[in-house]
Amino acid sequence: DGGITQSPKYLFRKEGQNVTLSCEQNLNHDAMYWYRQDPGQGLRLIYYSQIVNDFQKGDIAEGYSVSREKKESFPLTVTSAQKNPTAFYLCASSTDPPGIKAYNSPLHFGNGTRLTVT
Amino acid sequence: DAKTTQPPSMDCAEGRAANLPCNHSTISGNEYVYWYRQIHSQGPQYIIHGLKNNETNEMASLIITEDRKSSTLILPHATLRDTAVYYCIVRVASGNTPLVFGKGTRLSVIA
Repeated sequence: DGGITQSPKYLFRKEGQNVTLSCEQNLNHDAMYWYRQDPGQGLRLIYYSQIVNDFQKGDIAEGYSVSREKKESFPLTVTSAQKNPTAFYLCASSTDPPGIKAYNSPLHFGNGTRLTVT
Repeated sequence: DAKTTQPPSMDCAEGRAANLPCNHSTISGNEYVYWYRQIHSQGPQYIIHGLKNNETNEMASLIITEDRKSSTLILPHATLRDTAVYYCIVRVASGNTPLVFGKGTRLSVIA
């Protein structure tokens, strides 16, 4: 079945270590997104990519980095510079082709990775 | 910041209709209204979206006021599985724009 796979579901790291969260989609979607969710809060945008080899910062990009070398993959690295990395991380994708207006494909989300840094 | 306002929580009896309101008084002409829901510890699930006209699908109905400043999501026969946080989001019509989430409404369906 087509979908978005985030792995692992739970991840534990020591403070000061970088960690990379995986996000893979087989939906042939052009755009991919990373969100962070803290307890009792809504989702906040970290980074997004509308096309391969291009990405934009979201509202809370500091302490994070991404790459988009392949259409189906959008890994997120949580660096040691991120002050409060413990959170629930969600990846999403959508199918809007670049440059086409008035096209409103919904975002499809993975089931998230819960990162705990101690 | 989110461009929508929703009540923080609501209760609904099982089998009854759940009506979830959303205010989006600053919505622009090229912005759609989207609804998502998030069941605990899962990724958000798309429900429905609309521009001006009312919309219905297998999950829900979306009623948008004529001035487009508010909308209501209707779950016609709520079940316990509909217990979730429901997010109302406005999004521009052009492609590949991210969603901006607020805190949503926590709907509790009660047996």
